[in-house]
Amino acid sequence: ILNVEQSPQSLHVQEGDSTNFTCSFPSSNFYALHWYRWETAKSPEALFVMTLNGDEKKKGRISATLNTKEGYSYLYIKGSQPEDSATYLCASRAGGTSYGKLTFGQGTILTVHP
Amino acid sequence: SAVISQKPSRDICQRGTSLTIQCQVDSQVTMMFWYRQQPGQSLTLIATANQGSEATYESGFVIDKFPISRPNLTFSTLTVSNMSPEDSSIYLCSVHMGLAGSGELFFGEGSRLTVL
Repeated sequence: ILNVEQSPQSLHVQEGDSTNFTCSFPSSNFYALHWYRWETAKSPEALFVMTLNGDEKKKGRISATLNTKEGYSYLYIKGSQPEDSATYLCASRAGGTSYGKLTFGQGTILTVHP
Repeated sequence: SAVISQKPSRDICQRGTSLTIQCQVDSQVTMMFWYRQQPGQSLTLIATANQGSEATYESGFVIDKFPISRPNLTFSTLTVSNMSPEDSSIYLCSVHMGLAGSGELFFGEGSRLTVL
């Protein structure tokens, strides 16, 4: 994988459903993986920054896992709420150093229907 | 954390004109980053603005098209010159807080430009 790829591109779920998205990234020279939530007309907001293989982070109903050897991360949302509707972006920092370029995926657009 | 004010929030521009976007941060930062998201595309880094030196541009972006100023440690501007409809995008400025590389990015609310 040469670029950061996210799937699905968009997702519609009902309130209360749990959902997950995938971020695939180049595993060579990996440094860090970022997840952001971007609500319409607002600033993208950082959810997680992950660096270690096997890392799992959680913030409320949202959690993320990281596999640096195979180059993927999952973002999970438990019991989706309408306020979770947003575009979820992942970004990989490569180059093996803290100053490597941050490359974003195209995002997953989540719509949670009441 | 950082609070970033960006303006304009949106504008409709005519082909061939130029527009300057301003970005103000509530704390001093060494580097400020300018991103662009074209419709259906990824958020793409245009350039890194360094105080006291010329901006560093990513492949595919040039200073003549996207001149950047960085007069102090809290402010930067990005100009989109000689606009065409392909420049219709959301432009975001951002800063990095925390340990370099492992810290998160903070973003402005974006400037949504439509070029007719």
